[in-house]
Amino acid sequence: AQRVTQPEKLLSVFKGAPVELKCNYSYSGSPELFWYVQYSRQRLQLLLRHISRESIKGFTADLNKGETSFHLKKPFAQEEDSAMYYCALGGDSWGKLQFGAGTQVVVTP
Amino acid sequence: DGGITQSPKYLFRKEGQNVTLSCEQNLNHDAMYWYRQDPGQGLRLIYYSQIVNDFQKGDIAEGYSVSREKKESFPLTVTSAQKNPTAFYLCASSKDARLNTEAFFGQGTRLTVV
Repeated sequence: AQRVTQPEKLLSVFKGAPVELKCNYSYSGSPELFWYVQYSRQRLQLLLRHISRESIKGFTADLNKGETSFHLKKPFAQEEDSAMYYCALGGDSWGKLQFGAGTQVVVTP
Repeated sequence: DGGITQSPKYLFRKEGQNVTLSCEQNLNHDAMYWYRQDPGQGLRLIYYSQIVNDFQKGDIAEGYSVSREKKESFPLTVTSAQKNPTAFYLCASSKDARLNTEAFFGQGTRLTVV
């Protein structure tokens, strides 16, 4: 069975400080991993996916198969980064994206 | 304006009644999904559909039913058999069956049983 764990429910950081959101997964096959974000009063939307190896809004995430992790990082947090972040795993079968419980990020000035 | 639309935004239901949540997309996507979002539990998959006239149970399908008679529509019925229906429901769609295809979400429907 596949499972996604986001251990932090709430992450509070100061503007300009680094932020790291942890995501660990459990899956025996080759995983597809994503980060989705939900800003206040907006729809849930894709932030980035591991297969693209891209940086979006200053965020990066590296898939570490040895540690089964896909942590999301940003070196300098901005107030507009305040949102709910979900890590998601695809792999068990087509289309079954498994989401973590989510981490609420609050960036204070 | 292309996208995925859920209606209504808020829905109240009496215990023992069935209720249907609407989800429509004009993105020409083959795949559609229903998730339930509860505080502290993230999103849990209820049902998904890869193509018209086909759908599969997700992780928490009991007490729910769906249909996919048209490509653009994927309504979810919450039946009286669902023991804890009060929740926020999210509909999503994606272009095709590939795993790394981006999912697009609706604004959600908040269902409250009174």
